Amino acid sequence: QVQLQESGPGLVKPSQTLSLTCTVSGGSISSGSYYWSWIRQPAGKGLEWIGRIYTSGSTNYNPSLKSRVTISVDTSKNQFSLKLSSVTAADTAVYYCARDGGPITMVPYAFDIWGQGTMVTVSS
Amino acid sequence: DIQMTQSPSSVSASVGDRVTITCRASQGISSWLAWYQQKPGKAPKLLIYAASSLQSGVPSRFSGSGSGTDFTLTISSLQPEDFATYYCQQANSFPLITFGGGTKVEIK
Repeated sequence: QVQLQESGPGLVKPSQTLSLTCTVSGGSISSGSYYWSWIRQPAGKGLEWIGRIYTSGSTNYNPSLKSRVTISVDTSKNQFSLKLSSVTAADTAVYYCARDGGPITMVPYAFDIWGQGTMVTVSS
Repeated sequence: DIQMTQSPSSVSASVGDRVTITCRASQGISSWLAWYQQKPGKAPKLLIYAASSLQSGVPSRFSGSGSGTDFTLTISSLQPEDFATYYCQQANSFPLITFGGGTKVEIK
């Protein structure tokens, strides 16, 4: 069965770029009509969708983060990645990658598989 | 942007109780609503998609209903493993996604 695993630095300095990778195992990132998303959650707070990518490379971003976010995909490695630039303490959160059901999947417009999450702290 | 408002923000209940959580959208979202359960230190788990479709493997005591702007998640008989925080999520404004603020179900 498909599993997701986030990886990347747990500590990033202010003004630098946060970089995370999500590795998909148990299935091909290119199979089906799924999108692949990043979602974050500050400690004790709710969930915020960051953005998604399709294996064609097309992307959608949360307008509140769009100017700082880049999501990319490497189908040969079965991975997709997040870059968030010019980070501040407000970007400190647990970051999740998730499989994002497109309109013709079994779970339309819902996130059915999640990674375990990775804590990223922005601090000098 | 479509805003999602959950109520209550927290609820205290006992094992065996029927629990209902409400999610209201700031504008109509058809049936493009999902519900998630999150336990401390864990990733959210999909319970319901398309407002009322039960995700595979989720116990039948969970059910969802609603369309337009008002939606509910019902747990028919609360079990010890159901104490968690629940989130709704809309996708009518696809490609944009928004989540509700969460409802914490606590032990009475």
